[in-house]
This record gives sequence, structure tokens and C-alpha cells, in this order.
Amino acid sequence: EPEVTQTPSHQVTQMGQEVILRCVPISNHLYFYWYRQILGQKVEFLVSFYNNEISEKSEIFDDQFSVERPDGSNFTLKIRSTKLEDSAMYFCASSEERNTNTIYFGEGSWLTVV
Amino acid sequence: GENVEQHPSTLSVQEGDSAVIKCTYSDSASNYFPWYKQELGKGPQLIIDIRSNVGEKKDQRIAVTLNKTAKHFSLHITETQPEDSAVYFCAASFNDYKLSFGAGTTVTVRA
Repeated sequence: EPEVTQTPSHQVTQMGQEVILRCVPISNHLYFYWYRQILGQKVEFLVSFYNNEISEKSEIFDDQFSVERPDGSNFTLKIRSTKLEDSAMYFCASSEERNTNTIYFGEGSWLTVV
Repeated sequence: GENVEQHPSTLSVQEGDSAVIKCTYSDSASNYFPWYKQELGKGPQLIIDIRSNVGEKKDQRIAVTLNKTAKHFSLHITETQPEDSAVYFCAASFNDYKLSFGAGTTVTVRA
């Protein structure tokens, strides 16, 4: 079964450093998303991406965050200057279409900011 | 925005018994309600979903019911097995991709 893959599975970074989390969505999918889950809290929507641009973002997704689809397969989340409160599990997800299709999640990238 | 509440937070059942997880949502415009199962070290995996034009949906041992008037929906797992042990999340959405998740229910099936 096709799956969303994410790398790295776990990253530890110093506060203030830049982090890039990578994702390879399912190949025929057109919509891409990032969600995050801070330990002990709910899974939260960060951003959706379609046709090479952000279609919607949450309040969490401030100027420190950016997303990019640098080639035909990868979808990245960049945190420019990490803060302690950015420590969380970050999930990439993708779907084939809007409004009718299932969203498939990757296994997550656990980010620890120290 | 949408707020989803999920109960209980933990659920322990004897193998073979049924498990029921309940969720309520706040935004009456929400029309898509998926359920995800998350095993340790893995991402959420969709197990069943329901849309607001349907009141109930069943897939083998799993069923979901939706009451739009009361704004609540439930997951039912019958004949539970040890491999059903996991964290289960409900979610609600108006436009399918911006999911609002519940806090999760840790289900333990005792052999």
C-alpha cells in the first residue's frame, strides 16, 4: 500500500537553529499538509499546500515556518529559528483530492529543541 | 474554530468485548468525521470515516454513528482483539483537510 514517508524520524536541535523536516507524499496525491502534536496535546493543523502554494495555514504557522515542494516528490517544512516550544511530533499528510478523499499521514518526525 | 471533545481518555476492555468511544464537536458546519488509529511509533492511520449525509457506517468489526442534531459521533469496535490496542483519535472537518482532532483514547484490550 502506498504511504507517506518522513525523515528524519527523530531530530534534536539547539534552540535558534534551523530545522528542515522532509516528507515524500503518496505519488499521485495533489494536496499536502503538515500537522503537529505537542506531547500530551491534540494533533493540530499547521498548513495545507496545493499547486505550489499555501492554500491555508493556522495561527501556529507564523513567519518562522515555511513549506516548499522543491522537486516533484519532496515536501518540506522548515522552521527557521527553533524555540523550545517547537518540540513536537510533526506529521506530514497528503490526499488525492479535496472534499472526497482520505488524508494519509506519515509516521511523524519527532523534533526535540534543547 | 472547531472544537472536538473525546471521551474516555483511556479504555480497558476484555478481549471479545465491545469498545465505544464518543466525540462531540462544536461547529455545525462540519461535515466530515474520520477516525484514526495510532500505534506506538507510527502515524495516524484512517480506519473509518463518515460524512454528514450518512447516519451510520460499518466496516467489519468497526462502526461509526453520527448524530448531527446533537453534534456527536461515536466509534464502536466489536469483538475486540489484542491488536486493537492503540490510541484512537476522532476528528471533524468542514473542508476535509483541516482536521480538528480530539485528544485521543488509549484503548487496551486485555487477553
